Amino acid sequence: KAGVTQTPRYLIKTRGQQVTLSCSPISGHRSVSWYQQTPGQGLQFLFEYFSETQRNKGNFPGRFSGRQFSNSRSEMNVSTLELGDSALYLCASSYALGLNTEAFFGQGTRLTVV
Amino acid sequence: AQTVTQSQPEMSVQEAETVTLSCTYDTSESDYYLFWYKQPPSRQMILVIRQEAYKQQNATENRFSVNFQKAAKSFSLKISDSQLGDAAMYFCAYRSDGGSNYKLTFGKGTLLTVNP
Repeated sequence: KAGVTQTPRYLIKTRGQQVTLSCSPISGHRSVSWYQQTPGQGLQFLFEYFSETQRNKGNFPGRFSGRQFSNSRSEMNVSTLELGDSALYLCASSYALGLNTEAFFGQGTRLTVV
Repeated sequence: AQTVTQSQPEMSVQEAETVTLSCTYDTSESDYYLFWYKQPPSRQMILVIRQEAYKQQNATENRFSVNFQKAAKSFSLKISDSQLGDAAMYFCAYRSDGGSNYKLTFGKGTLLTVNP
């Protein structure tokens, strides 16, 4: 069974540009969450999607957006990139929403903004 | 707001020895889950162990066990018979269903080094 796949693995962008990151969840999983990981702030919640609906959003500016498609694949977009957006972006998929539902993480996309 | 605190930025242990990683959390919720995740250099977060707040019995998974003290809001991870492959960043995480938001709230992590 394939795991969570995030593409691309590495990305270098220039300030002011926009970027789209992709996440393919484990087959059959309908929930996808995104997290930003930085040395200073640690792991912070970005979004949570379930069956194509954004259920929750973290405390990030409107430049951060996302969506989920009918096949459960998800994308996140960051517009007008800033140096502070440099981070590891992790995607996690779950079969369903729930307290005990295990979240399976991908290997992340390392975004560097120069 | 829920917070998770890991007071040990780094820990080291000799191979085959036992090490305990600390975690405390703050919440006003009554039902929640606590998790320990491992992040090796490959960057992929892997679930190590989980504990439901309503269960008094401490969870165990092979060489990994927790000491869950609900009143003290403490959730430590014990790794027995440490192996070189245990070297990684370990994150304590909390999840409740407050407002149907199932996000994970993570601590800042503890970097574990295993010495041969």
